[in-house]
Amino acid sequence: QVQLQESGPGLLKPSQTLSLTCTVSGGSISSGSYYWTWIRQPAGKGLEWIGRIYTTGSTSDNPSLESRVTISLDTSKNQFSLRLGSVTAADTAVYFCARDSTGTDSFDIWGQGTMVTVSS
Amino acid sequence: DIQMTQSPSSLSASVGDRVTITCRASQSVSGYLNWYQQKPGKAPKLLIYTASSLQSGVPSRFSGSASGTDFTLTISSLQPEDFATYFCQQSYRTPFTFGPGTKVEIK
Repeated sequence: QVQLQESGPGLLKPSQTLSLTCTVSGGSISSGSYYWTWIRQPAGKGLEWIGRIYTTGSTSDNPSLESRVTISLDTSKNQFSLRLGSVTAADTAVYFCARDSTGTDSFDIWGQGTMVTVSS
Repeated sequence: DIQMTQSPSSLSASVGDRVTITCRASQSVSGYLNWYQQKPGKAPKLLIYTASSLQSGVPSRFSGSASGTDFTLTISSLQPEDFATYFCQQSYRTPFTFGPGTKVEIK
């Protein structure tokens, strides 16, 4: 079955760029039936949708992140990635990648999540 | 953005109880409402999509319903493995938004 796994640095300093990769196994990231999505959750808090990418490379992201987000796709590696620029302590959270089914836009498969801490 | 609220924020219940959680959207989401269960240290798990469709593999004691901008998740008979936090999410319009969560605890 399809599985997702996040990877990337767990500790950043303020103003640096957060870079995470989600590796998809058990299925092709090129399937036209899905968007590939990033979601985050600060400790003890709720979930925030960061953005998503379609197999065509088309993206959308959350305006609350003030254009700091870049999401990209690498079909040769079956991966998609998140870059979040100019991080602050407010970006400290668990970051999840997830599969978003087109048509319902429900997140049916999730990675385990990776903790990212921003601290000087 | 579409704002999502949930009530209650937490509840205590016993095994076998019927539990109801409510989610309200700040505007119409045309039934594009999903429910997730999250246990500590784990990723959320999709339970219900488009208000009332049961995700494959989810026990039938979970059900969802809708009335306008109000949505309900019902657990017909609470089981020990159901103690968790439940989130709703609207998928009608980006940015997709989640409710703040309802924590179901053991009485």
